[in-house]
Amino acid sequence: AQKVTQAQTEISVVEKEDVTLDCVYETRDTTYYLFWYKQPPSGELVFLIRRNSFDEQNEISGRYSWNFQKSTSSFNFTITASQVVDSAVYFCALSENYGGSQGNLIFGKGTKLSVKP
Amino acid sequence: NAGVMQNPRHLVRRRGQEARLRCSPMKGHSHVYWYRQLPEEGLKFMVYLQKENIIDESGMPKERFSAEFPKEGPSILRIQQVVRGDSAAYFCASSPASGWRETQYFGPGTRLLVL
Repeated sequence: AQKVTQAQTEISVVEKEDVTLDCVYETRDTTYYLFWYKQPPSGELVFLIRRNSFDEQNEISGRYSWNFQKSTSSFNFTITASQVVDSAVYFCALSENYGGSQGNLIFGKGTKLSVKP
Repeated sequence: NAGVMQNPRHLVRRRGQEARLRCSPMKGHSHVYWYRQLPEEGLKFMVYLQKENIIDESGMPKERFSAEFPKEGPSILRIQQVVRGDSAAYFCASSPASGWRETQYFGPGTRLLVL
């Protein structure tokens, strides 16, 4: 069973629009971590944020914000006033302790965001 | 302050040859993870190593694939007798400590193409 679902395969917006990338996860653990990574066209993976399952406060970093809701098992990512440089594939990932996991990340399939000028 | 280094960035092999992918973790990190990204897919965990130890290889194919992280030098992912289905991007990540709480920092990846 897929544990991290990013239902939006591709999203296209025009510059300055706000855009939200959805992430829904599934875990049997009570303690876990959630991550977002960005993969720009150049191909590397850039760490964006880590969130502990006990901390449901929303986080804002510049134009980026994250909405973590345990009740719906979601960890959504919003980019405000999008820019062309935001064009990338964005991955949501889960790290859990269930079954004695040693720390391998479980990734969603990613959402490709295209921001047009 | 160098990040995770991987080389080569691109590797072309013919079917049946061996591929060796190298990963040097970030300074101060002694935990290394390998992931594979197939086209249009997310990343799939392969193996987790500490110096001289394989901690978790549950995602590694049983045949032809092996990994090591020697006391000195980079971590190596080796694929013997490559087949076309091995064509993918292979990413290495490192963390400063062990376990599921840690943030993993990724290298730029090695793109393997098998002809």
